[in-house]
Amino acid sequence: DAGVIQSPRHEVTEMGQEVTLRCKPISGHDSLFWYRQTMMRGLELLIYFNNNVPIDDSGMPEDRFSAKMPNASFSTLKIQPSEPRDSAVYFCASSEGTTNEKLFFGSGTQLSVL
Amino acid sequence: DQQVKQNSPSLSVQEGRISILNCDYTNSMFDYFLWYKKYPAEGPTFLISISSIKDKNEDGRFTVFLNKSAKHLSLHIVPSQPGDSAVYFCAASPLGGQGAQKLVFGQGTRLTINP
Repeated sequence: DAGVIQSPRHEVTEMGQEVTLRCKPISGHDSLFWYRQTMMRGLELLIYFNNNVPIDDSGMPEDRFSAKMPNASFSTLKIQPSEPRDSAVYFCASSEGTTNEKLFFGSGTQLSVL
Repeated sequence: DQQVKQNSPSLSVQEGRISILNCDYTNSMFDYFLWYKKYPAEGPTFLISISSIKDKNEDGRFTVFLNKSAKHLSLHIVPSQPGDSAVYFCAASPLGGQGAQKLVFGQGTRLTINP
């Protein structure tokens, strides 16, 4: 398997623009996670899906952030409108089952909002 | 409030020596701990884990020690190699077996192994 695939690798946008990050989890993994990495706070969980259903979105910072998982092989994280403080690395990760703590991460999307 | 803290943002060690990375936690409910390793431009990858029923777990050059009374764990790498240069994240979960949705990560420690 190719692992968790994220796109784009880098995104530079201007404040106020819409940003969409994409993720393809490992085939057969039924749990998907979106994380944000910053220097100050490390890795923070934004939202967690199980079997394509959002289970916990308490980490989503504001209503500007939304995530979807229309099927088992695709998820998006959207920021609208984007702000400079959203600049960070966003990781998607997947795991097998609901009792497994071992995550498989994608390579991340480096987002810069100017 | 950071429940999992890695107080050293960076660490530099000479090749062949021991690297010790530390992690402290505040939530006494945490009972399963993991270390992830991250290279630049890549996502973190799982390295080693330990359950609270143990105080040590070893995998090759990597050993994780858990001191529950002090709420402290450490990762030892012996001997350190240049390929170990990476950012190391400590993570903790309450009630192991609940899945990754309960994982709390630290801020990470950047380890540099000098030749």
